[in-house]
Amino acid sequence: DAGITQSPRHKVTETGTPVTLRCHQTENHRYMYWYRQDPGHGLRLIHYSYGVKDTDKGEVSDGYSVSRSKTEDFLLTLESATSSQTSVYFCAIGPSPYEQYFGPGTRLTVT
Amino acid sequence: KNEVEQSPQNLTAQEGEFITINCSYSVGISALHWLQQHPGGGIVSLFMLSSGKKKHGRLIATINIQEKHSSLHITASHPRDSAVYICAISLAEYGNKLVFGAGTILRVKS
Repeated sequence: DAGITQSPRHKVTETGTPVTLRCHQTENHRYMYWYRQDPGHGLRLIHYSYGVKDTDKGEVSDGYSVSRSKTEDFLLTLESATSSQTSVYFCAIGPSPYEQYFGPGTRLTVT
Repeated sequence: KNEVEQSPQNLTAQEGEFITINCSYSVGISALHWLQQHPGGGIVSLFMLSSGKKKHGRLIATINIQEKHSSLHITASHPRDSAVYICAISLAEYGNKLVFGAGTILRVKS
């Protein structure tokens, strides 16, 4: 299994509060991704990174920002959480754009 | 638009049965992935294919590039195979990022 962890694994927060999710890898992979998974929508790409300080938006990036200051960590921030951001968030890593390994997921509930 | 279509959406099988899950796509791809997700669990990458066939234990994945179609087969199915199986494609014009199908929910009864 790829060395990838996510923290926290579960979080409940209130509407309007900022939230940061962390993805940490020990594989030294160049590519890192944040997805959200919702019933009826499958997995959707939020943001991705192709190197330190190199990030780009995915298909559902509104309301989210990311940062990657070192190879091993990719942070996803919800600036002001909304109920529509209640979801399961998955991080993925990969040595190339078309090879990805997924983390265990973070279940976020915004009340 | 849905570039990746999976069938069936739901599948119930008896233990021991041979199972096939299908994935069709409408565009040229650089690779196709099969993923497995157990209830409440993480996502595991089963196969990455760009041509032909791959086998791992009781799982077999095939792809026909000309027909834009892939199948995932499970031989001698077991209740522990119960999971959601997700097909995803890498599109070169999308920076090889993955586009996911909706998933097939498989339940294997003992």
